[in-house]
Amino acid sequence: EAGVAQSPRYKIIEKRQSVAFWCNPISGHATLYWYQQILGQGPKLLIQFQNNGVVDDSQLPKDRFSAERLKGVDSTLKIQPAKLEDSAVYLCASSSDRLGPRHQPQHFGDGTRLSIL
Amino acid sequence: SQQGEEDPQALSIQEGENATMNCSYKTSINNLQWYRQNSGRGLVHLILIRSNEREKHSGRLRVTLDTSKKSSSLLITASRAADTASYFCATDAAGGTSYGKLTFGQGTILTVHP
Repeated sequence: EAGVAQSPRYKIIEKRQSVAFWCNPISGHATLYWYQQILGQGPKLLIQFQNNGVVDDSQLPKDRFSAERLKGVDSTLKIQPAKLEDSAVYLCASSSDRLGPRHQPQHFGDGTRLSIL
Repeated sequence: SQQGEEDPQALSIQEGENATMNCSYKTSINNLQWYRQNSGRGLVHLILIRSNEREKHSGRLRVTLDTSKKSSSLLITASRAADTASYFCATDAAGGTSYGKLTFGQGTILTVHP
């Protein structure tokens, strides 16, 4: 099966500009996650979707970050305006609910590396 | 804050040796998962162990879970240069409303020298 697709792979912008990332999960996966991974740290969950509904966005900086998952498939994550501390890798992951919502491994894309100048 | 904390932060071994990484966490869990991340790539799922399990094996991987001590270990036997990567533990906290929400630790950087 095809893996999680993300684009772009790299993005360089200046602070206060806006940026958007795109994710296409594995076909049939109902749950989609966006993570932020700062260099040297583990991924931190930003938002979790179940189909096209938000399950958890408690760690999403809502004053500047937004995400949507239209039609329960692809998703976009946007930052506007960007700050220097947003420099990180943004990872998208998906999981299947075929055997129930818990105890499911997550499948990750290769991420978008964002640099803020 | 991070739920899981890995130890050691970095580990350097020779090919053929065993590598052991430890993970401690703070709250009750539904399951604990281990992931590998090669440089510049996404995370790859290695193994999932449920809270009612004590040990699981997958190929050269062995994971143990001690819920009384809130700790887990990942053993990689007969390591290879290709095992060089960062390894993360992640916990699915019990009692949460977000099914499948994982909290990751800081990771262990494993270097295997040929």
